[in-house]
Amino acid sequence: KQEVTQIPAALSVPEGENLVLNCSFTDSAIYNLQWFRQDPGKGLTSLLLIQSSQREQTSGRLNASLDKSSGRSTLYIAASQPGDSATYLCAVPAGNSGGSNYKLTFGKGTLLTVNP
Amino acid sequence: DTAVSQTPKYLVTQMGNDKSIKCEQNLGHDTMYWYKQDSKKFLKIMFSYNNKELIINETVPNRFSPKSPDKAHLNLHINSLELGDSAVYFCASSQVPTGAKNFGAGTRLSVL
Repeated sequence: KQEVTQIPAALSVPEGENLVLNCSFTDSAIYNLQWFRQDPGKGLTSLLLIQSSQREQTSGRLNASLDKSSGRSTLYIAASQPGDSATYLCAVPAGNSGGSNYKLTFGKGTLLTVNP
Repeated sequence: DTAVSQTPKYLVTQMGNDKSIKCEQNLGHDTMYWYKQDSKKFLKIMFSYNNKELIINETVPNRFSPKSPDKAHLNLHINSLELGDSAVYFCASSQVPTGAKNFGAGTRLSVL
């Protein structure tokens, strides 16, 4: 059974800092990994999707890496801004057999606060 | 132009009532989902549909009945609501099961 762990659970940084959020998963037989952002009381916004054959993806100040063999992904945020404050979630398919790839397993998220 | 839209956004109701949540996606995706986010903010899959057919029912009580009249819609009907059903329900879609998931804004259900 796929399990996803995110560390740290919460992070508070001053504006302008570069930071790294960590995600680990137990079953490395995944098709992809997706990072989301959730603002309080809002839905999930997809940030980046990394396919299993890729090592990283970049979008603006965000860079996500994937080390499938070790079951790890990181989300790097450069030059953080107060508007980056949100909960960041990583998610992987529950497996790659049967209907497992229809199910995303989520971590519990990292609550990021960027202070002005 | 909202990609995945859910209605209502908020739903407050009494225990024992029956309620429905609607979801529509305009992305042309084949696969749709319902997820539940509990009070501890943990997101868990409830149902997956592909081309209007149920693929996954993640041991959800049969008081919950999803219905997909066409590929663009996946509605969730809940009978005999219980206090423990209070949560945020998210609809999502993807082109294929292994593709990127697009989520709706969520429906916050409060059962009193």
